[in-house]
Amino acid sequence: DAGITQSPRHKVTETGTPVTLRCHQTENHRYMYWYRQDPGHGLRLIHYSYGVKDTDKGEVSDGYSVSRSKTEDFLLTLESATSSQTSVYFCAISGDRLNTEAFFGQGTRLTVV
Amino acid sequence: GENVEQHPSTLSVQEGDSAVIKCTYSDSASNYFPWYKQELGKGPQLIIDIRSNVGEKKDQRIAVTLNKTAKHFSLHITETQPEDSAVYFCAASREPGTYKYIFGTGTRLKVLA
Repeated sequence: DAGITQSPRHKVTETGTPVTLRCHQTENHRYMYWYRQDPGHGLRLIHYSYGVKDTDKGEVSDGYSVSRSKTEDFLLTLESATSSQTSVYFCAISGDRLNTEAFFGQGTRLTVV
Repeated sequence: GENVEQHPSTLSVQEGDSAVIKCTYSDSASNYFPWYKQELGKGPQLIIDIRSNVGEKKDQRIAVTLNKTAKHFSLHITETQPEDSAVYFCAASREPGTYKYIFGTGTRLKVLA
């Protein structure tokens, strides 16, 4: 299995509180991604990173921010959590253009009450 | 916007029978089509992929076919086994290894013993 660790694996938080999810990789891969998975929607890209301090928005980025200060870490922050952000969050990594496979982490189940 | 439709949403087959899952994509520039398998409580894992310059690809009991003219691609699993039970996602991308995966909504496959 690719070396991807997501933390925490489960979290319950209250509406309006900030939340940070962490993705840590040991593969030295260039690209890192945050997806959310919801019933009936499959996986949808939130943000991605193509290098240290280089990030961009995906299709569902509103309400989320990211940071990547080191190759191995990609943080996803919900500045003020809402119930609509209750979801399972997956981090994924992939190498350069010659490396086609994206490896996914185990996921973080976030519940906003 | 870009979209990938996946059918059926659930599929039950008897052990030993074949299973077929179909996807249709809207972005004619898509040229990379991976299939992911997700087991309960785990992240998606790549099982097979195909590029636009190939019409079919096989890997043991799994095959993928691509019809670029019709913008259809399909996953075929032969001689199904109980361990094939999982959720399967198709995806489309303009470039291998980049962030731009548009996922289908998933198919829950149940293989009945």
